[in-house]
Amino acid sequence: AQKITQTQPGMFVQEKEAVTLDCTYDTSDPSYGLFWYKQPSSGEMIFLIYQGSYDQQNATEGRYSLNFQKARKSANLVISASQLGDSAMYFCAMREGLHNFNKFYFGSGTKLNVKP
Amino acid sequence: NAGVTQTPKFRILKIGQSMTLQCAQDMNHNYMYWYRQDPGMGLKLIYYSVGAGITDKGEVPNGYNVSRSTTEDFPLRLELAAPSQTSVYFCASTSEPGGEETQYFGPGTRLLVL
Repeated sequence: AQKITQTQPGMFVQEKEAVTLDCTYDTSDPSYGLFWYKQPSSGEMIFLIYQGSYDQQNATEGRYSLNFQKARKSANLVISASQLGDSAMYFCAMREGLHNFNKFYFGSGTKLNVKP
Repeated sequence: NAGVTQTPKFRILKIGQSMTLQCAQDMNHNYMYWYRQDPGMGLKLIYYSVGAGITDKGEVPNGYNVSRSTTEDFPLRLELAAPSQTSVYFCASTSEPGGEETQYFGPGTRLLVL
């Protein structure tokens, strides 16, 4: 079974609107961490936001927020007020276990295009 | 801090050739990783290291070898290049793989095997 599933290969959003990128995960470990990364066309991986499995509140970082629904095992990324520079691939990832250094799984990504 | 650096940026190999992808970090991180990213896909773990002298296989280790003689360097070796190894390779490091500590990624090496 896939550990991380991103069901939207591509998304379009109008500049200044909000957009939600979906991510579901699969683990039986009660301790895990969820990450979102941005990969622009230049190729580097940029860390955006983190949510721990025991965190009570949804994580926020500037225009990024993570809609964490633990019972549904979903960790959707919300980008508010989209900008042209947000056009990129976005990857959801999970570290399984509190201190597992080798159980880090990535989804297949969502390509976001922001239209002017 | 340069962070995580990788060389080369791009390389074309012929089938059967060998090469080493270089990775270095200047953050004194103990944990280092090699991933490959195939077109349209997420990253898959090839090898990882938890400190100098200690390495272990990840999800897709076949066709690769690694070594970790220093904290800073973590080279990835391809012995007999195959077309299936055409990919983008990312090196990453982290100080402590727990909590919200993310991995820091290098810029990637694009490899084409013909």
